[in-house]
Parts: sequence; structure tokens; C-alpha cells
Amino acid sequence: DGGITQSPKYLFRKEGQNVTLSCEQNLNHDAMYWYRQDPGQGLRLIYYSQIVNDFQKGDIAEGYSVSREKKESFPLTVTSAQKNPTAFYLCASSIRFAGANVLTFGAGSRLTVL
Amino acid sequence: DQQVKQNSPSLSVQEGRISILNCDYTNSMFDYFLWYKKYPAEGPTFLISISSIKDKNEDGRFTVFLNKSAKHLSLHIVPSQPGDSAVYFCAAIGRGADGLTFGKGTHLIIQP
Repeated sequence: DGGITQSPKYLFRKEGQNVTLSCEQNLNHDAMYWYRQDPGQGLRLIYYSQIVNDFQKGDIAEGYSVSREKKESFPLTVTSAQKNPTAFYLCASSIRFAGANVLTFGAGSRLTVL
Repeated sequence: DQQVKQNSPSLSVQEGRISILNCDYTNSMFDYFLWYKKYPAEGPTFLISISSIKDKNEDGRFTVFLNKSAKHLSLHIVPSQPGDSAVYFCAAIGRGADGLTFGKGTHLIIQP
């Protein structure tokens, strides 16, 4: 079954620590995205990647970093510089970036900072 | 500034009746609109979409209407079923956009 796998599903972090959220897709999609969901805020774009070895900042990129070394993988690192990291993080992919496209989402990772 | 607005945070509808979820947008460059459904602790799943060249798209119990002059779209679910209880996100994309822009979501509650 093709899809997007995010891990871990739940993650706890102490203040000052960096954490990396994994996102793997086997859909052969070119574009991948990271969104953050907070209650009452909807989905906000953190970073996106149109193609391997390329990525762009979204609306709320500060305190986050990404890499896209392989087509299948788009890990997100939440750094200690992110002031409010507790949130539900969603990874998504689409066949291509431009034009009308449907995003396929992973099941999400919930990060809690203690 | 919010470019995609869902002004109703929640909506309660009786089972079997019609659910109407509304979405307004401000960016005239948007030319493709999507609705996603999300259950708690899960990723959103695609529901239905509409291109700006159409004013209606239907898929089973779900119909999306687009009024370009009013920059307004709505999702109709009829008849509403208990499994429809979820958060519904409106999303839009257009030329020059950095991916989809989402609304804040509407929590639909179907009452038995």
C-alpha cells in the first residue's frame, strides 16, 4: 500500500533539545511538505520541497530545519530555537508542486515539550 | 492576513439532514479549491475539489459549490451521517502560491 509514514507518533522533548521527525513516502511524489496544526489555527506551512535537494521556507519556518537528500524522505528537525514547539506536525506529499494537486497526508506526529 | 477563512469554528447538524460548511477566500489568484476531512490525531484526508472553471462538483453525498464573484465556496453533505463528524478544512491554491493555503477548519458534529 502506498502512503506516507510519519514517526514517531508521539514524542516528548525537554526544553533546549533538538528533535527530528521522520517522514517517508512510497508514492513516488516529487513534492513534500511539513505543516503544523495548533488548536484553532488550522494548518500552517513550515517548509516544502519541490524536488530532491531543494527546499523552501513556508510561512512559519523559524526554528525548524529540513533536508531532502532522497525523494522518499523529508525529515523535519525542531530546534531549540523554536519558541512554541508543542504541536501536531503533519507531513504531506503531492505528485508535483505546481498546479492543481491533491496532498496526501501522513498520520501526524504529536510533539510535547516538557 | 488570512487568505482562506472558515468563519464557523463548529457546526452541529442532526443525522439525516444537510450539512453546509462555508469557506471564503480573498486571493483572486486562487484557481483550485479542496476540502479535507480530519479525525482527531490523524492526518487530513482529501474529500473533494473544484476548479475555478466550474461552479459545482459532486461526489456521492458531497457537493462543492463555487461562487467566484463572491469568492465563496461551500461543501454540502447530504444526508449527514455520524461518521461525518470531523474537522473539515477548506484549502486553496493558485498561481505563485507556495503550496496549499488552509482555512482554520470547521468542527462538524452530527447529532443522532
